[in-house]
Amino acid sequence: EVQLVESGGGLVQPGRSLRLSCAASGLTFDDFAMHWVRQSPGKGLEWVSGISWNSGNIAYADSVKGRFTVSRDNAKNSLNLQMNSLRPEDTAMYYCVKDVGASGWDWWFDLWGRGTLVAVFS
Amino acid sequence: EIVLMQSPGTLSLSPGERATLSCRASQSVSSSNLAWYQQKSGQAPRLLIYGASSRATGIPDRFSGSGSGTDFTLTISRLEPEDFAVYYCQQYGSSPPYTFGQGTKLEIK
Repeated sequence: EVQLVESGGGLVQPGRSLRLSCAASGLTFDDFAMHWVRQSPGKGLEWVSGISWNSGNIAYADSVKGRFTVSRDNAKNSLNLQMNSLRPEDTAMYYCVKDVGASGWDWWFDLWGRGTLVAVFS
Repeated sequence: EIVLMQSPGTLSLSPGERATLSCRASQSVSSSNLAWYQQKSGQAPRLLIYGASSRATGIPDRFSGSGSGTDFTLTISRLEPEDFAVYYCQQYGSSPPYTFGQGTKLEIK
């Protein structure tokens, strides 16, 4: 079965850090770009970051640039998101998402994980 | 950055009726690079349509997409009980960031 499973979410105070991970199975992981998309409680979807198959292309939303770092380990079929200097507005469900293509920016998303919840509050 | 506006915000219909959801872009979406996703309560989004009009694998043919440029439409020809959900449009293919519409909630009347 093709699936993406996120982990690492939790409760954290403002200014602290958290590292999210996504384990991919049932697919040739290094054939595809990957993304993180978040959804604040009761709100819509916001693309956070994307990384191409070989980590050669990386991009971030302006809202997280300079604070979040995306990486991948193709040998371990894993995607990561290091989140530093967390703010209350970062509170959201974070989804690991598979791109249809490899390069990162030309195609749609065809597989979503179930998400991991991050809550930032004092 | 391309801004997507979806309308209506909420659509109340009965099973068996036809649903028409709109997605309007602030500038032309190149090569009809527009996708639609369905999100049921408590679940992750699921891809329905890509390339403005191509159905994803396993999506019933009652779902159809159309449009180009700045105006796109998702149509559900005959609503089934499992179709009541929130629907998002998304543009891709331009430089990041990807953007999503704010969503249309399709609810049972």
